[in-house]
Amino acid sequence: NAGVTQTPKFRVLKTGQSMTLLCAQDMNHEYMYWYRQDPGMGLRLIHYSVGEGTTAKGEVPDGYNVSRLKKQNFLLGLESAAPSQTSVYFCASSRELNTGELFFGEGSRLTVL
Amino acid sequence: AQSVSQHNHHVILSEAASLELGCNYSYGGTVNLFWYVQYPGQHLQLLLKYFSGDPLVKGIKGFEAEFIKSKFSFNLRKPSVQWSDTAEYFCAVNAATGNQFYFGTGTSLTVIP
Repeated sequence: NAGVTQTPKFRVLKTGQSMTLLCAQDMNHEYMYWYRQDPGMGLRLIHYSVGEGTTAKGEVPDGYNVSRLKKQNFLLGLESAAPSQTSVYFCASSRELNTGELFFGEGSRLTVL
Repeated sequence: AQSVSQHNHHVILSEAASLELGCNYSYGGTVNLFWYVQYPGQHLQLLLKYFSGDPLVKGIKGFEAEFIKSKFSFNLRKPSVQWSDTAEYFCAVNAATGNQFYFGTGTSLTVIP
């Protein structure tokens, strides 16, 4: 059982380039989330989804877009990468919105030069 | 917005020492509380959670946490740590009626054999 899988795990971008991070879960969870983890900042929610075809903004959504075309996939896009987006990105999913355990992927380390 | 404070950023202990990691949150309503752990090279996983009932909750690997409502705290404890407990520990909160998890900045624990 793979759980939550993120690709790619590492990526280096130049300022202005675009890229997409893919998150896939095989647990049939309704809820999916994208977080970023920065030193001294903890995990901050970027966007989340409460079901296929839905997305919503989290705490730090600027500069990112997301899509949830299929229930099992949640894509995070950077249209024009900036150095401030250098971070470790975590995808998570849960069965319930408030009381459910979050299941995390292994993280994707992105560096923007 | 809610916030979560973890006062200890780095903790170093010898094996068999007792552990207590502090977590305080700011939110006046009913909350759900969580502790997650990230072992080196692994993804975040749930240690324990509190929704209601007995304020002393037990989790995996001998960890426990106590919810003290009057102090807005949810401190993590373990009577005797092991080298394998070396990890980063995150406290998380969400409002019982909300849709976002708020994470603390994390505490890095190093256990010396």
